[in-house]
Amino acid sequence: QQPVQSPQAVILREGEDAVINCSSSKALYSVHWYRQKHGEAPVFLMILLKGGEQKGHEKISASFNEKKQQSSLYLTASQLSYSGTYFCGTEINTGNQFYFGTGTSLTVIP
Amino acid sequence: NAGVTQTPKFQVLKTGQSMTLQCAQDMNHEYMSWYRQDPGMGLRLIHYSVGAGITDQGEVPNGYNVSRSTTEDFPLRLLSAAPSQTSVYFCASRPWGQGMCFFGQGTRLTVV
Repeated sequence: QQPVQSPQAVILREGEDAVINCSSSKALYSVHWYRQKHGEAPVFLMILLKGGEQKGHEKISASFNEKKQQSSLYLTASQLSYSGTYFCGTEINTGNQFYFGTGTSLTVIP
Repeated sequence: NAGVTQTPKFQVLKTGQSMTLQCAQDMNHEYMSWYRQDPGMGLRLIHYSVGAGITDQGEVPNGYNVSRSTTEDFPLRLLSAAPSQTSVYFCASRPWGQGMCFFGQGTRLTVV
């Protein structure tokens, strides 16, 4: 039930854009996105509920396609501070098990 | 508020030893869970709880036990440690419904 993320790793130069995908085999109630810096705990970025909404947070936004059971995280004009591992988190029903994805390592270089 | 407090931060065990990872939250969250993080495999759910007295298994429960006697505490027990349990463990809590996950600081466990 663990969602699959792609790509596994990506290297960007400052100012470039990236897309991280999260795909589930189960119908989803909600999708979360988190970022983890090396040696630290994951930190919440945003939550999307079923309904196909798109949310934004500074230059980071995400979409949720419930029909395809997929979510995508969009990072535009990347900054060095965006480096880290990104995880999607999913739940099938509210209050149900909460599964995290396989992770995407993102490195932004000058 | 302290948030989610997880101890210890580092631990080395010998094969066959037992230990308990402690997790406590002061936000009155109903949902608590344990994950292990291994390279290339993301965060995998071990056990979770939706309230005091209620626990259930996640994806990788073998070798681990949990209990939830109070809303605040959710300890993870390793009954007989194995090298395959070498990992980084995270405890997390979240409110019922659509709330975000709050994580503990993590425990780096090495079984030799």
